[in-house]
Amino acid sequence: AQSVSQHNHHVILSEAASLELGCNYSYGGTVNLFWYVQYPGQHLQLLLKYFSGDPLVKGIKGFEAEFIKSKFSFNLRKPSVQWSDTAEYFCAGANNLFFGTGTRLTVIP
Amino acid sequence: GAGVSQSPRYKVAKRGQDVALRCDPISGHVSLFWYQQALGQGPEFLTYFQNEAQLDKSGLPSDRFFAERPEGSVSTLKIQRTQQEDSAVYLCASSLLNSGAVNYGYTFGSGTRLTVV
Repeated sequence: AQSVSQHNHHVILSEAASLELGCNYSYGGTVNLFWYVQYPGQHLQLLLKYFSGDPLVKGIKGFEAEFIKSKFSFNLRKPSVQWSDTAEYFCAGANNLFFGTGTRLTVIP
Repeated sequence: GAGVSQSPRYKVAKRGQDVALRCDPISGHVSLFWYQQALGQGPEFLTYFQNEAQLDKSGLPSDRFFAERPEGSVSTLKIQRTQQEDSAVYLCASSLLNSGAVNYGYTFGSGTRLTVV
C-alpha cells in the first residue's frame, strides 16, 4: 500500500544532542517528500521539502533531511537540538496525500 | 487573511447530530485539502479541491461525510449523523498552485476539534 511511515514514536534528547528521525516511503512515480513540525497548540508548519535535485535538503531552524532512494528513506536531522525543538514531527509524501503517524520529540534542558 | 482560518475551533456534538466545519483558505489559493487527525495519529487525507472542483474524495470514510467549495474559495466539510469515531481534529490546508505543479508545502489551518458525545 502507498504510505509514509515513521518508526520513532517518542524521542527524548538532552539539549545539544544530535537528532535523526526516520521516515520511509512506499509509493512509486514522482517522489515528493515533506517534513512538518507541530509545536504544542499550534498548526502544522513546513520544515523542508524534497522534489528533485540535491538529495540533501536544508530547511528552516537548522533542520535538514536526506533523500536516499535505495533505502526509500527521508530522515530528518539536526546536529544540535534545543529545548524549543520540543514538538511533534510529521513526514509526508505524494503532495501531502500521505502522512506518517508522527514522532514526538522531547528535549530536556 | 494571512493564514488558513478554520471555524469553529472546537465543536461538541451529540451522537446523531449533523455538523458543518468551515475553512477559509488563503486568498487566491487554488488547492484545498481536508484531513482528519485522530488523537496520536498523523493527518489522514479526506478530500481535495482544485478551485470549485472536487478532484479526489477517496479519503472520505463514509457517505456521511460531504465536502463542498462552491465558489472556489471557502470550503465546508459536513458530517451527517455524527458517530463517536468521528471525534478528531479536522485540518484544512491550502496551496497557491494545483497539486500536480506544486513544489512546496501547503499552509495548514489550526483545525477544528470535534468531539462527539
